[in-house]
Amino acid sequence: AQSVSQHNHHVILSEAASLELGCNYSYGGTVNLFWYVQYPGQHLQLLLKYFSGDPLVKGIKGFEAEFIKSKFSFNLRKPSVQWSDTAEYFCAVNAQTDSWGKLQFGAGTQVVVTP
Amino acid sequence: NAGVTQTPKFRILKIGQSMTLQCTQDMNHNYMYWYRQDPGMGLKLIYYSVGAGITDKGEVPNGYNVSRSTTEDFPLRLELAAPSQTSVYFCASSWGGGGYTFGSGTRLTVV
Repeated sequence: AQSVSQHNHHVILSEAASLELGCNYSYGGTVNLFWYVQYPGQHLQLLLKYFSGDPLVKGIKGFEAEFIKSKFSFNLRKPSVQWSDTAEYFCAVNAQTDSWGKLQFGAGTQVVVTP
Repeated sequence: NAGVTQTPKFRILKIGQSMTLQCTQDMNHNYMYWYRQDPGMGLKLIYYSVGAGITDKGEVPNGYNVSRSTTEDFPLRLELAAPSQTSVYFCASSWGGGGYTFGSGTRLTVV
């Protein structure tokens, strides 16, 4: 069974700082990778996804993520955060052999951006 | 286009009571899922469905039941509610590749 590990549970940073959130997964096969964001009081929304091809993927709101297959990692980055980026971020993995499309989620990282 | 609609948004149940969480999607997705979200634990899959009449257990199915009589609806039934079922419940639908559309969630408290 696959598992997803997010390195940080809480991150606090100032506006304009750079953000990097770590995500590692354990699964021997080919995977689809996702980052979801949950703003306070809201449901999860898709930030970006990787299926194949260029390992550097760009998502909404200036976020990007890099898939490093050798490290089983899919880290999320944003060069300059804004107060509105305060949210919880979830990494998720789907095994491509899983025809049911089930996602395994990490525990989430709570990001607080201070003005 | 409503996407995924969940009702109710909030509910307080007494121990031993039962209830059904409703989930409806209008995107004609075959795949639907129920997750529960607990602080610091991420989302855990309760049940999923790949089409009308086809459902299966996820990681944490105990205490729950589902049915899928139509493509649109995927209700989650809680029988004999317990405090351990206090959580936020999210329904999601997908075309199958993992790109989910989530509902707005149901915050359930069992007292």
